[in-house]
Amino acid sequence: SQTIHQWPATLVQPVGSPLSLECTVEGTSNPNLYWYRQAAGRGLQLLFYSVGIGQISSEVPQNLSASRPQDRQFILSSKKLLLSDSGFYLCAWSVPGSWNYGYTFGSGTRLTVV
Amino acid sequence: AQTVTQSQPEMSVQEAETVTLSCTYDTSENNYYLFWYKQPPSRQMILVIRQEAYKQQNATENRFSVNFQKAAKSFSLKISDSQLGDTAMYFCAFMKHFGNNDMRFGAGTRLTVKP
Repeated sequence: SQTIHQWPATLVQPVGSPLSLECTVEGTSNPNLYWYRQAAGRGLQLLFYSVGIGQISSEVPQNLSASRPQDRQFILSSKKLLLSDSGFYLCAWSVPGSWNYGYTFGSGTRLTVV
Repeated sequence: AQTVTQSQPEMSVQEAETVTLSCTYDTSENNYYLFWYKQPPSRQMILVIRQEAYKQQNATENRFSVNFQKAAKSFSLKISDSQLGDTAMYFCAFMKHFGNNDMRFGAGTRLTVKP
């Protein structure tokens, strides 16, 4: 069966520090991968998606970046965090072309920038 | 671009009663998919129900059903016999039939089921 792992679960980082959040998927090949951010009390904002190794599409200009070094690994990074980067970050995967199955989400990372 | 609107930030319902959550969307696409996700206090996103736009029959999953009105671009969720465990944020979401499977979410409705 397919599983998705996301870590760390919580993170407190000072302003200006770097960030690395990791997401891995098991039990499937060539998944579509996504990073979403959920601000407090708000909906989910798509940040990045990837349809293959090294293929990253950005939805929102910001100081965040994403990479996909391996087929089932998706990393969200920042060189210098801002206070506005605080939020709940969710990784998700989907089967390419299988639109009707929606997404499977990771358990999320709560990031607090202080 | 597709937008999803949930006009009810918060709702409450008595246990065992029925509640309906509203969702409207804007798109020029003819083929697409609609979803309702539940996010309980654990923050884990759970798929509740999905609807294919080319199917006229409304989807049902046990106590959960939808009222899909394609012409009105409306996709409401009805929860029957509400249970305390239904307390959560509920998100409506839209996905195009053709594309990179990127899903667009509404702002969510916080539902509280009262004993």
